[in-house]
Amino acid sequence: DAGVTQSPTHLIKTRGQQVTLRCSPISGHKSVSWYQQVLGQGPQFIFQYYEKEERGRGNFPDRFSARQFPNYSSELNVNALLLGDSALYLCASSLRYSRDNIAEQYFGPGTRLTVT
Amino acid sequence: LAKTTQPISMDSYEGQEVNITCSHNNIATNDYITWYQQFPSQGPRFIIQGYKTKVTNEVASLFIPADRKSSTLSLPRVSLSDTAVYYCLVGSSSTGGFKTIFGAGTRLFVKA
Repeated sequence: DAGVTQSPTHLIKTRGQQVTLRCSPISGHKSVSWYQQVLGQGPQFIFQYYEKEERGRGNFPDRFSARQFPNYSSELNVNALLLGDSALYLCASSLRYSRDNIAEQYFGPGTRLTVT
Repeated sequence: LAKTTQPISMDSYEGQEVNITCSHNNIATNDYITWYQQFPSQGPRFIIQGYKTKVTNEVASLFIPADRKSSTLSLPRVSLSDTAVYYCLVGSSSTGGFKTIFGAGTRLFVKA
């Protein structure tokens, strides 16, 4: 079975531009989460979606938005890019959703975004 | 939100047991503790998860004391391929919904 896939693999954008990152979860997984990982740091939680609804949001500005489609794939959008948005963006899917505990998450390889 | 604190780095030799401790003093009652492994240029990979006491699977053990303010990941007989960053993760719920907090991670370097 295919794992979590993300596209594109790498992306270079200019400050002020907008970017859309895509994620396809493992077949049967209904929950998708997005993380930002700056070089040398741990992943920072951005969003979680389950059954097409936002279930959690991290401490990121409104320039960051996401959505989940009926097939459970997801897009992360970032507007008005800043140099500080340069990072590895990780998508993770999980089979179930729980308000309190953490279902085992399966991470994709990430999209490396460079903002110049 | 429960935050985690881990040692920045650790060194070990092949065949040794490695124990990595994570502090999470503000862990909530319903939070679980999860550990992930990450290699360069890859997404994190799930290792083990627990709520209290001890959990063991085919690759690791997780020890959680009664107060749950810390946890210890134990890797038996490490090999060179275990060189990676290990993250302690505590799930946290809030009025705003689901959130997860990764720590800064522990860089484990296994030497021959």
